[in-house]
Amino acid sequence: EIVLTQSPGTLSLSPGERATLSCRASQTVSSSYLAWYQQKPGQAPRLLIYGASSRATGIPDRFSGSGSGTDFTLTISRLEPEDFAVYYCQQYGSSPYTFGQGTKLEIK
Amino acid sequence: EVQLLESGGGSVQPGGSLRLSCAVSGFTFSSYAMSWVRQAPGKGLAWVSTISGSGGSTDYADSVKGRFTISRDNSKNTLYLQMNSLRAEDTAVYYCAKDLVWGSWDGAFDIWGQGTMVTVSS
Repeated sequence: EIVLTQSPGTLSLSPGERATLSCRASQTVSSSYLAWYQQKPGQAPRLLIYGASSRATGIPDRFSGSGSGTDFTLTISRLEPEDFAVYYCQQYGSSPYTFGQGTKLEIK
Repeated sequence: EVQLLESGGGSVQPGGSLRLSCAVSGFTFSSYAMSWVRQAPGKGLAWVSTISGSGGSTDYADSVKGRFTISRDNSKNTLYLQMNSLRAEDTAVYYCAKDLVWGSWDGAFDIWGQGTMVTVSS
């Protein structure tokens, strides 16, 4: 099983700042099958990025994903108030699919 | 509009059973793999099971293998999760989720339902 470790656990930033979230895998993620999701309280997760760097439909271009192998990054270029939420990475290159423990992005 | 609507959650005693349903609309259901993902209270996301578009292939997390069964009725546009021998650690919100890729088994989930709560407690 591939274990995904996200860092930091909590990130405190202000609107307009740049956010960099990390996801490290215990083994190589096959074919960069790495996704990022955003989840707000009481809501279902929303797909942001798939294939490590492709934005899902309707996702603003301030969200970008990068990385390969075992190290992946989600970058939010300029934080908007609605971006404060919990973010999860997920690998879907091998079964069982696994998620990271999440990074909480909070307003400073 | 694409919609996934779960139902069937509730409270059950340890060892009991529940059947979750996920009614789908707005896309060609039989062309997409579908999955169940759960989230224990205050915790992160955990993949539970996936079924291919035809229903001919399934996969399960080790924690539910042998106890849970995923199935689908493409004529009714509905996904199911039969949960038997339930344990306290199965307590979670259960989401159904649509696969991103048409006609394939991809594993990224682009559409999610609102979730249904399952509580296992004596």
